[in-house]
Amino acid sequence: ESVLTQSPGTLSLSPGERATLSCRASQSVSVSYLAWYQQKPGQAPRLLIYGASDRATGIPDRFSGSGSGTDFTLTISRLEPEDFAVYYCQQYGRSPGYSFGQGTRLDMK
Amino acid sequence: QVQLQPSGPGLVKPSETLSLTCAVSGDSVRNYYWSWLRQPAGKGLEWIGRVHVSGSTNYNPSLESRLTMSMDTSKNQFSLKLISVTAADTALYFCVRHGGYYFQYFDLWGRGTPVTVSA
Repeated sequence: ESVLTQSPGTLSLSPGERATLSCRASQSVSVSYLAWYQQKPGQAPRLLIYGASDRATGIPDRFSGSGSGTDFTLTISRLEPEDFAVYYCQQYGRSPGYSFGQGTRLDMK
Repeated sequence: QVQLQPSGPGLVKPSETLSLTCAVSGDSVRNYYWSWLRQPAGKGLEWIGRVHVSGSTNYNPSLESRLTMSMDTSKNQFSLKLISVTAADTALYFCVRHGGYYFQYFDLWGRGTPVTVSA
């Protein structure tokens, strides 16, 4: 079973700054099988990035994904007030099929 | 606009069965794979299982012995049954649609429906 570990646990930044969120897998993940989601309080998660680097429909281009193998990154180039949320990476693979990292909380400084 | 509308009891007694249904509007359930996920309060996301109109189901091994998922194409909905529930099954439950050639991510989410397991 491949485990996803996200870092940092919490990231405190100001609007306009750049955010870099990390997702590390314990086993290699195909880029096709790595996605990122954003979750705001009281809401369902929203798909941001799939295939490690493809933005989902309607996602602003300040969001970008990169990486391969075991190391993946979500970058938000210039933070907007609405970007402060929890972010999860997700993989598709063998057992248990689909799994998530524990999340990174992006807080406004 | 495709929407997912979950329904089910918000409170279930320990050892009883949790049943949830997700009604799909704006598209046919025949066209995709569909999953259930859950999220305990203040915690992360856990995939429960997925279902397809072909009858194919895949479950999280940690829940497989207690879980049944099904689809009703006449009502355009899919369902979950989890037997012998305990307090550990208390969570916000989400129904979701799969996206991608390999159905490898979740591109549409319903609002979460809270489930509490308590006597």
